[in-house]
Amino acid sequence: AQSVAQPEDQVNVAEGNPLTVKCTYSVSGNPYLFWYVQYPNRGLQFLLKYITGDNLVKGSYGFEAEFNKSQTSFHLKKPSALVSDSALYFCAVKEAAGNKLTFGGGTRVLVKP
Amino acid sequence: GAVVSQHPSRVICKSGTSVKIECRSLDFQATTMFWYRQFPKQSLMLMATSNEGSKATYEQGVEKDKFLINHASLTLSTLTVTSAHPEDSSFYICSATGRSEKLFFGSGTQLSVL
Repeated sequence: AQSVAQPEDQVNVAEGNPLTVKCTYSVSGNPYLFWYVQYPNRGLQFLLKYITGDNLVKGSYGFEAEFNKSQTSFHLKKPSALVSDSALYFCAVKEAAGNKLTFGGGTRVLVKP
Repeated sequence: GAVVSQHPSRVICKSGTSVKIECRSLDFQATTMFWYRQFPKQSLMLMATSNEGSKATYEQGVEKDKFLINHASLTLSTLTVTSAHPEDSSFYICSATGRSEKLFFGSGTQLSVL
């Protein structure tokens, strides 16, 4: 069975500081990894994905994530956070051969001015 | 980019009534659609997977007779919450995928059952 863990319920960061949201996963076979963001009262928006290739993936809104196979992690990062980045972030994984997408519990990011 | 339209965005209904939520892929053929449920302060929970023209596959613990899913065409899937009760109040989100690996999400439906 595949699973995703986001160990932090909430991350607080000051505007302009680096932001990291942690994610670890478990899946048999090769993983496809995703990050999504959910703003208040809105649906999910795709940020970035790792399928294959370079371990460092760049996505929307200045976010990036690094795939680490040995640590089974896919942490989301942004060098300089904005107040507008405050939202709920979800990490997700699926097996390369399947369609089922499993989400982590979500991490609320609060960026303070 | 691809767009998935979900409506209504918000619905309030009386206990015992049925509510239908629509999910449409606007510019691509959605061979597979997913329905999720999100409880407050909790993660998304996959309810069911539907492939066009076939019966939906429900996740363990999801009542098939209560949450009716129809995926009659490559651009439309519907979720009907039958005989809704207050405990069905939740945020429901659909997503769709076609030939690409990307998954596109609807904007969600907030269901409140009185």
